Amino acid sequence: EVQLVQSGAEVKKPGESLRISCKGSGYSFTSNWISWMRQMPGKGLEWMGRIDPSDSYTNYSPSFQGHVTISVDKSINTAYLQWSSLKASDTAIYYCARQRRAIFPDYWGQGTLVTVSS
Amino acid sequence: DIQMIQSPSSLSASVGDRVTITCRASQDISNYLNWYQQKPGKAPKLLIYDASNLETGVPSRFSGSGSGTDFTLTISSLQPEDIATYFCQQYDNLLLTFGQGTRLEIK
Repeated sequence: EVQLVQSGAEVKKPGESLRISCKGSGYSFTSNWISWMRQMPGKGLEWMGRIDPSDSYTNYSPSFQGHVTISVDKSINTAYLQWSSLKASDTAIYYCARQRRAIFPDYWGQGTLVTVSS
Repeated sequence: DIQMIQSPSSLSASVGDRVTITCRASQDISNYLNWYQQKPGKAPKLLIYDASNLETGVPSRFSGSGSGTDFTLTISSLQPEDIATYFCQQYDNLLLTFGQGTRLEIK
């Protein structure tokens, strides 16, 4: 069974750094890209970027380029989404998802709630 | 960016009703469209891919149609477990975009 399990909820202050994770199982982790999506409170989903776990090649949405970093550790089947300096506007639920045909999300993680508040 | 406009934003229907949700793209996306179901507090679940292909394990009461700019998700006979938010997503280009979602409730 394909599963993506994300790390737990986080509460951070503005300016702090954060890395959340997404561990894949039930399939060959390096065979499918991983995407990250953001869902702000009461809003729709936004695609942030994707990574190819086989070679760590990344592709970002212009809206998120330079604001987050996507990385992967294929030795432990885990992808990461990282911020160096959080803002209150980063408060959202973040989802990872496996890409089918390197194109669209098929299996999704359960989501990680990130709350940034002073 | 390709904009995806869903309608309605919310919908109330009775068990057994036929339900239709529409999604319109701001430009021609061929059949590069998916439909997802998201229940409260849960991860989105892929229902339909390539506009009309039913994902494995999804009940046959769900169907998708359309191409170009206009797409439809249909539930032929609404069941209580179908209460969820449904959203479309295009993958015509690398910058994936989503509809705002349709919240489906039971009357």
